[in-house]
Amino acid sequence: GAVVSQHPSWVICKSGTSVKIECRSLDFQATTMFWYRQFPKQSLMLMATSNEGSKATYEQGVEKDKFLINHASLTLSTLTVTSAHPEDSSFYICSAREAEPNYGYTFGSGTRLTVV
Amino acid sequence: GENVEQHPSTLSVQEGDSAVIKCTYSDSASNYFPWYKQELGKGPQLIIDIRSNVGEKKDQRIAVTLNKTAKHFSLHITETQPEDSAVYFCAASPWNQGGKLIFGQGTELSVKP
Repeated sequence: GAVVSQHPSWVICKSGTSVKIECRSLDFQATTMFWYRQFPKQSLMLMATSNEGSKATYEQGVEKDKFLINHASLTLSTLTVTSAHPEDSSFYICSAREAEPNYGYTFGSGTRLTVV
Repeated sequence: GENVEQHPSTLSVQEGDSAVIKCTYSDSASNYFPWYKQELGKGPQLIIDIRSNVGEKKDQRIAVTLNKTAKHFSLHITETQPEDSAVYFCAASPWNQGGKLIFGQGTELSVKP
């Protein structure tokens, strides 16, 4: 089946630094990738939608200058948390959607970000 | 925009019993309804999905039903096992919103041996 690889699985960084999270579709081409944020015991909150070769579409309330998304190819999307602060600590999850005709969604294993 | 409500938030059953989780959605444009199982510290795993042109789908112990008129869909797990214990999320995807998945709040299922 479809596999999405997300790295790193966990990261600790200092306040003020930037962190990059990678999301790769290993055996299919992803026309669209999605980035979610999840707080403990809460649901997945969609942050942004990215299509290969175009700018990401951010959900209301998500700072696009803080959460930079790059979808450079049909198999790779990256999320960079810039100037991280403790309140950015969370579980970040990517999802990739296959091209026609499957249109299936596959999720990465998530990245636990802790900002100290 | 789409809003998905999920109930109950927690569910405890005895091994071998059935478990039912219900979701409602608001946007009639939604046409894809997946269910995910999430274990602690991991990403969600698809367990079953249904499209709006189908009323019911079954895969071994798991089934999903969809009532488009009432905008309800439900997950049914029969013969529950301790390894079914996890958090389950329903989601809905409106066809006119670029493939977004809107998630319910989640149900923490506990299956007691």
